Parts: sequence; structure tokens; C-alpha cells
Amino acid sequence: KAGVTQTPRYLIKTRGQQVTLSCSPISGHRSVSWYQQTPGQGLQFLFEYFSETQRNKGNFPGRFSGRQFSNSRSEMNVSTLELGDSALYLCASSTGQVPYEQFFGPGTRLTVL
Amino acid sequence: SQQGEEDPQALSIQEGENATMNCSYKTSINNLQWYRQNSGRGLVHLILIRSNEREKHSGRLRVTLDTSKKSSSLLITASRAADTASYFCATDGTSGSRLTFGEGTQLTVNP
Repeated sequence: KAGVTQTPRYLIKTRGQQVTLSCSPISGHRSVSWYQQTPGQGLQFLFEYFSETQRNKGNFPGRFSGRQFSNSRSEMNVSTLELGDSALYLCASSTGQVPYEQFFGPGTRLTVL
Repeated sequence: SQQGEEDPQALSIQEGENATMNCSYKTSINNLQWYRQNSGRGLVHLILIRSNEREKHSGRLRVTLDTSKKSSSLLITASRAADTASYFCATDGTSGSRLTFGEGTQLTVNP
């Protein structure tokens, strides 16, 4: 089985711009979760999509949004980028059912200048 | 906020030695998962242990879980230089699919 793929792997943007990240889960998995990793805050949960519906949401501002398509691929969008949005964004794939074993992609490294 | 705390924050050992990392968490859980991360790359899933399990093995890995103490440990036996990485525990709390991570243990295995 192919693993979780994320595109692009690296991205450089400037403040005020917006960005869209993509994640393709493991075949057959219906849940995609997004996490942000920074040196100061560690790994933090952004949101989870299951069968095209947002099922869980973390404590991030509305500038962070996502969606999931019928083929379970998911996109995450960040609008009006801030310097503090520079981070490694990781998506995780799971069946979406107990025990919620999650498998991560390689991440997208976003740098905001 | 971080649910879990790993201990120690950093660990340096020689190849062939065993490495033990501990994780403590604050709320009730259904499952606990351990991950490895190499230098800013993605997380590699190592093992999942359910709240009704006390110990689980996978190759050179041994994980224990003590729900009464809200703690878990990861033991890597006969370590190799390739085991050098950060190790994280993640708990699901009561939200099921939402994982809360500890701060991680940086393991360095010297050849």
C-alpha cells in the first residue's frame, strides 16, 4: 500500500499571502487529520475530516481551514499568512474508526517571510 | 497545551545499549501511540497500545502502559545509530481521533 503523500514538500510565502496544502491518505482510509509542528508549541492538532465532514477541530484561528474530497484527499488552506505560521504541517491518515491508529505523511515545510 | 510529557528530554547512549523513554499524560485515554521523527521529517508510527493492555512488543520495541499512573514507557533494545531520532507519545483522550502529543525525547545513539 502506498503511504500518505503531501504536496508540496516545501513552500516559501510572504506575509499576507494565502497557501493551500494537499494530502492524499492511504488507500481505503477515510479520515485525514492535520497537525502543525513548531519548535515553540510542538505538535498541535488543527482539524480532522472524515467522509468529507469536519469531525474535530483544534484551537486555531479561522484563517486555517480545510476540506476533504470524495476520494478522501484533503486540502488545508491558510489565509493572510503571518510569520508565526512558519511550521511543518503534517497530515495523518486513518480509517477513522477505533482505535484511530494514525499514519503520518512527510509533511510540508512552510516558511513565511 | 500538551497533554503528555516525555522524560528525559534528551538521551545519549552508545550503540548496543538499551534506551528507555517515559511519557506521562493527564486525562483518561482510549489508546496511546508512539512515534519516531527524524530531523524535521514526518512521523513514523511505531506502536499503538490500548488502555486495557499493559505491555506490547514489536521487534526491538517494548511499550508498557500504566493507566493508574497515567504513564507509558518505550524501551528500545540493542540500539543502533539509525535509531537516532525524536520520539513522541500521543494520546487520544476522550475525543478519539484527535491526538495530543508530548514534547518528545531526543535520542542520540553514538556508534
